Amino acid sequence: DSGVTQTPKHLITATGQRVTLRCSPRSGDLSVYWYQQSLDQGLQFLIQYYNGEERAKGNILERFSAQQFPDLHSELNLSSLELGDSALYFCASSDRDRGLAGGPVGELFFGEGSRLTVL
Amino acid sequence: AQSVTQLDSHVSVSEGTPVLLRCNYSSSYSPSLFWYVQHPNKGLQLLLKYTSAATLVKGINGFEAEFKKSETSFHLTKPSAHMSDAAEYFCVVRGNFNKFYFGSGTKLNVKP
Repeated sequence: DSGVTQTPKHLITATGQRVTLRCSPRSGDLSVYWYQQSLDQGLQFLIQYYNGEERAKGNILERFSAQQFPDLHSELNLSSLELGDSALYFCASSDRDRGLAGGPVGELFFGEGSRLTVL
Repeated sequence: AQSVTQLDSHVSVSEGTPVLLRCNYSSSYSPSLFWYVQHPNKGLQLLLKYTSAATLVKGINGFEAEFKKSETSFHLTKPSAHMSDAAEYFCVVRGNFNKFYFGSGTKLNVKP
């Protein structure tokens, strides 16, 4: 058990709909990351948050948005869904930001993923 | 800037033979490096990590990786493959400001 919780585990919806995926990071982790994994695109980084603020953006579509709340949980909102949005969506968390400081740093802890099927 | 290159998209070995999955990285400073494994329809699990301690890192399930700074490599090895090792493997480098950079993945097939 990584300590990262994602809900729902499975979601089936229709094209044009909107869904929200939820992630609770490991206790004490301030960074949250979202990834999309599909058969044709592989693992794609979507977005990163650190302590409530957006830190980095990857290949995230304009139809998608995310936020991190004061209690550090995060939500990924997917709207105007298309068939091609069907994928596994992973959330991950990591320990505190050490910026440019040296020293040992930790790994990403992944949730089990949310499988989205768009029909 | 940091980046990761996994040199093989697919590797096929016979059960009981050695496994070698290759990873090269670029980093502007001493990196932290990781290998993750993903079995079908599962999440990513950490196999092992290098964080500037011993250059030979032992992980779970008999896997090892050696950090070679001069070659900017972090190859993953296992002396004897098992059928349960069939999965996709990702090499990852951690940059500053909590950024992680993933390789494109290597799918390991283990033949009986």
